[in-house]
Amino acid sequence: EAGVVQSPRYKIIEKKQPVAFWCNPISGHNTLYWYRQNLGQGPELLIRYENEEAVDDSQLPKDRFSAERLKGVDSTLKIQPAELGDSAVYLCASMSGSRYNEQFFGPGTRLTVL
Amino acid sequence: SQQGEEDPQALSIQEGENATMNCSYKTSINNLQWYRQNSGRGLVHLILIRSNEREKHSGRLRVTLDTSKKSSSLLITASRAADTASYFCATDFTGNQFYFGTGTSLTVIP
Repeated sequence: EAGVVQSPRYKIIEKKQPVAFWCNPISGHNTLYWYRQNLGQGPELLIRYENEEAVDDSQLPKDRFSAERLKGVDSTLKIQPAELGDSAVYLCASMSGSRYNEQFFGPGTRLTVL
Repeated sequence: SQQGEEDPQALSIQEGENATMNCSYKTSINNLQWYRQNSGRGLVHLILIRSNEREKHSGRLRVTLDTSKKSSSLLITASRAADTASYFCATDFTGNQFYFGTGTSLTVIP
C-alpha cells in the first residue's frame, strides 16, 4: 500500500511569491489534515477535511492561505503571498473514517522563504 | 492552548537503558497517541491509548494514561541507537482532531 505522497519535498521562494503544496492521501482515507511544523516544535493543525468538506479551518490564516480537496481525494495548500514567517515544514496526513484510528503522515514539504 | 506538553524536552541515554518521557494536557480527551519523528522525516504512529484505558504495550513500548492527572507516559525499554528521534504526544479532544505537544528529543548513545 502506498503511503501519503507529498510534493514538492523542498521549495525555496522569495517573499511575496505564491507557493503551492500537493498531497495525495492513502487510498480510501476520508480524513485529510494539513499541519505546519516549525523547527523544534510539534505539528500545528491548519485544516482538516472529511471527504471534500473542510470541517475545521479555524487555524488557517485565511488572508493568505487557502486549501482545497477536490473530489475528496488529493488536496492542495496554497500560500499567496508568502512571508518570511511561513518558512516551515508543511505536513499532510490522512486517516480512515473510523474513530480511534492513527494518522499516516507524508514526508512533508520544507518551505524556505527568503 | 490545547497542545500537550512533553517532558523532558531532551533526553540522552546509553544504549540498553530505558527511556521515559511524559505528556501533560489540559482538558478531557477521547484518546491520546504517541508518534515518532526521525530527523527530516514525517511522523510515524507508535501507539494509541483510549481515555478508558490505563496502560498499553507494543513491543518495547509501554504507555500509561492517568486521566485524573491529565498525563501520559511513554516508556521505551532496552533502547537502541535506532530509537534516536523526537517523540510527540497527540491528544484528541473533539474526535479526529489532534493537538501535538512540543516533543521530546531522545538521543541513544551506542
